[in-house]
Amino acid sequence: DSGVTQTPKHLITATGQRVTLRCSPRSGDLSVYWYQQSLDQGLQFLIQYYNGEERAKGNILERFSAQQFPDLHSELNLSSLELGDSALYFCASGMGGEPQHFGDGTRLSIL
Amino acid sequence: EDQVTQSPEALRLQEGESSSLNCSYTVSGLRGLFWYRQDPGKGPEFLFTLYSAGEEKEKERLKATLTKKESFLHITAPKPEDSATYLCAVQDINQAGTALIFGKGTTLSVSS
Repeated sequence: DSGVTQTPKHLITATGQRVTLRCSPRSGDLSVYWYQQSLDQGLQFLIQYYNGEERAKGNILERFSAQQFPDLHSELNLSSLELGDSALYFCASGMGGEPQHFGDGTRLSIL
Repeated sequence: EDQVTQSPEALRLQEGESSSLNCSYTVSGLRGLFWYRQDPGKGPEFLFTLYSAGEEKEKERLKATLTKKESFLHITAPKPEDSATYLCAVQDINQAGTALIFGKGTTLSVSS
């Protein structure tokens, strides 16, 4: 058990819809990272938050946004969903250059 | 641009047949190189961090090594339970934040 909790485990929705993915980091970790994993692209970094502030952005689409709340949990919002957004979305938490610990992901299926 | 390339993409071994997985990387400044194991339907599980060339880490049947251009994950006398996808990732000291840049992984299958 990594200590990182992600909900829900599975999401099935339709094109054009909006969904919210939730992540609770390990106790004591101030950074939360979001990654997208697809079969052809592998694990791709989306965005990092540190203690409530956005720290770094990767290949995150404008239709996607995230935030980190005062209790350090984070949410990833995906809107105007397209078929190509179907993927596994992972949250990780960590501190600086220390190893990141990953949750078991949310599998998003767009029909 | 930072880049991580893993080879082979897939590897099939017999139980007890030792082998190595390769991770080649290009990064402007290496903060750390990380190895993870990922089982189907699960998130990546941390194995090792290496910070400088010449460094080695060991855990059970796994040993990770690092040079200035690549890292190897050596698997000695593997067992079927070692079957998984092994992911290599780097952190660039010159990038904003501390995100990981991942390779696409090596899928290892060990048969008894």
